[in-house]
Amino acid sequence: GAGVSQSPSNKVTEKGKDVELRCDPISGHTALYWYRQSLGQGLEFLIYFQGNSAPDKSGLPSDRFSAERTGGSVSTLTIQRTQQEDSAVYLCASSLGGLTEAFFGQGTRLTVV
Amino acid sequence: AQSVTQLGSHVSVSEGALVLLRCNYSSSVPPYLFWYVQYPNQGLQLLLKYTSAATLVKGINGFEAEFKKSETSFHLTKPSAHMSDAAEYFCAVSLEAGGTSYGKLTFGQGTILTVHP
Repeated sequence: GAGVSQSPSNKVTEKGKDVELRCDPISGHTALYWYRQSLGQGLEFLIYFQGNSAPDKSGLPSDRFSAERTGGSVSTLTIQRTQQEDSAVYLCASSLGGLTEAFFGQGTRLTVV
Repeated sequence: AQSVTQLGSHVSVSEGALVLLRCNYSSSVPPYLFWYVQYPNQGLQLLLKYTSAATLVKGINGFEAEFKKSETSFHLTKPSAHMSDAAEYFCAVSLEAGGTSYGKLTFGQGTILTVHP
């Protein structure tokens, strides 16, 4: 596709379950970002992949959160043992790397009940 | 460490009035600065970016921003607000530095712009 694609667009899960959120970046983009957007909290940085470099995981809020990027393309954000405070919109973005513009997906709205 | 502060979580203006959204940054190396806009129930899209070529940057939809190093600011302005400008606006910084942070985007908390008739 032409843009960053995220799936699912909406996810409702029970507290304690694991969830996987998927991001398909724009083809050829070497950089990929995950952010979390909660009501009134702005954009919270989670993790940043840049080419073959080790990812910057400094924003992951706990060890229940992890992300991988396979083959330098698709990325999966996994949240284990979900809690109600994990409810938010999870945004993925990709760029050509360096200091170029990041393009955002529409996000996955996660609701933990 | 890089950071961005947006002054004012909510700004309200009348249609036709000046729009001014404030952004201050903190970084130890030359920054690249961005403004993104998020319309209701949509993703973020780039309004404009500063990449050290010119201090006054023009973007889409009549917006512009001026980089002022002495004030560490990158405020967003538009001379005349339209109803369609109502959205949330985010300032972001990326550093021209090496290491794992190169290209990492750090966002401010966002400013919700309301435009009333």
